[in-house]
Amino acid sequence: EAQVTQNPRYLITVTGKKLTVTCSQNMNHEYMSWYRQDPGLGLRQIYYSMNVEVTDKGDVPEGYKVSRKEKRNFPLILESPSPNQTSLYFCASSLSSGVEQYFGPGTRLTVT
Amino acid sequence: QQPVQSPQAVILREGEDAVINCSSSKALYSVHWYRQKHGEAPVFLMILLKGGEQKGHEKISASFNEKKQQSSLYLTASQLSYSGTYFCGTFLMDSNYQLIWGAGTKLIIKP
Repeated sequence: EAQVTQNPRYLITVTGKKLTVTCSQNMNHEYMSWYRQDPGLGLRQIYYSMNVEVTDKGDVPEGYKVSRKEKRNFPLILESPSPNQTSLYFCASSLSSGVEQYFGPGTRLTVT
Repeated sequence: QQPVQSPQAVILREGEDAVINCSSSKALYSVHWYRQKHGEAPVFLMILLKGGEQKGHEKISASFNEKKQQSSLYLTASQLSYSGTYFCGTFLMDSNYQLIWGAGTKLIIKP
């Protein structure tokens, strides 16, 4: 089944404790992206990747890191999480940047 | 730079029609529409490219007015399954491969 998977789905952590949210797609998509969703603000792009080893900042990259060592995986790293990073995170992938995006199920992160 | 969606929310009875608008202050290359049900991920509906083409998907259609840099999503004879939040995403003419999203329009359909 074609899909985007994210893990974990739910995470409660404390300020400053490094964490990684994994994202994997099995559709051989070139383009992958991370979004955060907050009430009333819609989806805001954190980072995106046009292909392996090619990543770029989105609108809200501060406090996040990403890597794209393999085509299928695009992990999101929070080196020192803070409470303002409490949010719902979505990973998405697509064949290229301007076409239909497929979203993962989301990761709800709470930083206390 | 974020496109403006209107209305922010709308409540309809089953069978009624709705229009959701998405406006940008910048020149658009394409507009993407997605629907997100509560607790789920956004799901793709359609893409409209520069050129004013109108597209349809069952009883959901959309148009793209290049002169106004605006797209409208039309939901006719709404069904309960249409409930959710509708997001437009815009690719700008000078885009650096980013899709910029509106804040969403919440649609509630009552029986």
